[in-house]
Amino acid sequence: GQNIDQPTEMTATEGAIVQINCTYQTSGFNGLFWYQQHAGEAPTFLSYNVLDGLEEKGRFSSFLSRSKGYSYLLLKELQMKDSASYLCAVLDSNYQLIWGAGTKLIIKP
Amino acid sequence: GAVVSQHPSRVICKSGTSVKIECRSLDFQATTMFWYRQFPKKSLMLMATSNEGSKATYEQGVEKDKFLINHASLTLSTLTVTSAHPEDSSFYICSARALDRVASMEAYTFGSGTRLTVV
Repeated sequence: GQNIDQPTEMTATEGAIVQINCTYQTSGFNGLFWYQQHAGEAPTFLSYNVLDGLEEKGRFSSFLSRSKGYSYLLLKELQMKDSASYLCAVLDSNYQLIWGAGTKLIIKP
Repeated sequence: GAVVSQHPSRVICKSGTSVKIECRSLDFQATTMFWYRQFPKKSLMLMATSNEGSKATYEQGVEKDKFLINHASLTLSTLTVTSAHPEDSSFYICSARALDRVASMEAYTFGSGTRLTVV
């Protein structure tokens, strides 16, 4: 079956760095997305990786290793507004998005 | 960037009535629209996939006669929850797939979601 694993919850301190991991086992791979979702709101797009390596976008970076079925989202200089759920999603061979359960990130002052 | 407008954002209805949720792609053509349901503190659950001009494909366990999806044009898709019951109360989100020609990737844009409460 298809499976995406990410930690349920993480806590970090304002100004620090946090890495949210995602491992996946899917039927085919056509890219991996990271989305941010604040409570009661729809997800917003953060990043897309289809090739191995690190993609940097401001305070957020996303890494992919296709051979290991692994990705991480790196958040630097954490701000209180970064408190949200972070969803990892993989596009499978049928171009269907397979969603992880999300990681709730709690930022403490 | 691509924008999907979803209405209403919140709706409260009586048990047994029907509710229609609309999603419009404002500045692009959405050939495919995904409809998700999300219960509190849970991940997104795909309900159905609709392609413009054809019947929607429903996920296992989703009643197609209860959740009616219409995707008659490239810019509008609707989800109608018929004979709603309290257990249908949830957060419903649409997502449109658009071809991002610049980035050569398929972009998935979400609507803002609809909070449905059935009383």
